[in-house]
Amino acid sequence: DAGITQSPRHKVTETGTPVTLRCHQTENHRYMYWYRQDPGHGLRLIHYSYGVKDTDKGEVSDGYSVSRSKTEDFLLTLESATSSQTSVYFCAISESSIYGYTFGSGTRLTVV
Amino acid sequence: AQSVTQLGSHVSVSEGALVLLRCNYSSSVPPYLFWYVQYPNQGLQLLLKYTSAATLVKGINGFEAEFKKSETSFHLTKPSAHMSDAAEYFCAVSDHTNAGKSTFGDGTTLTVKP
Repeated sequence: DAGITQSPRHKVTETGTPVTLRCHQTENHRYMYWYRQDPGHGLRLIHYSYGVKDTDKGEVSDGYSVSRSKTEDFLLTLESATSSQTSVYFCAISESSIYGYTFGSGTRLTVV
Repeated sequence: AQSVTQLGSHVSVSEGALVLLRCNYSSSVPPYLFWYVQYPNQGLQLLLKYTSAATLVKGINGFEAEFKKSETSFHLTKPSAHMSDAAEYFCAVSDHTNAGKSTFGDGTTLTVKP
């Protein structure tokens, strides 16, 4: 969607390797979120950010870390990828909770 | 704590028929509620939202939803289904006291038969 891009769109990686996914926004929104989407589980929150260098854990944060050094960029790192982290990862941004989210197009990650 | 339950992981309707997708929520504070739609290989798109103003909210593509506090429900409806409505739909609840984090339901896949 306009204003938010995720990269890469697809990635295949090997078990045990580190992986970094990038989310970039041009909307200057305060809040940024990383979710993973798995069949039958909807979307589950991994980490979120409420400002530069301000981040917190979501419900499925184990094995993941994040960084936000600039308003526009929110990075998600899988420190040592496992097969259970094969998923579609979505970044979302929000100006305020009252407006809801704008989502990126997602990154399909396969860990082999 | 907040949670969302979407009743029915798959719903099938005929073109022109009423669409009804069910969502019940749980929230310890007055909620903000949202419906999102996801087309294949795309991100989610906001359909409509309830933020404590009118209880009947209208969204894009002819969809609407009614907030019923007594039933803790926020069901999504559309009077007449179109083939282009085939997608996956997610209900979400936001605790607006906590960085606006949203909790999503498991999703309902809508199939529209010609």
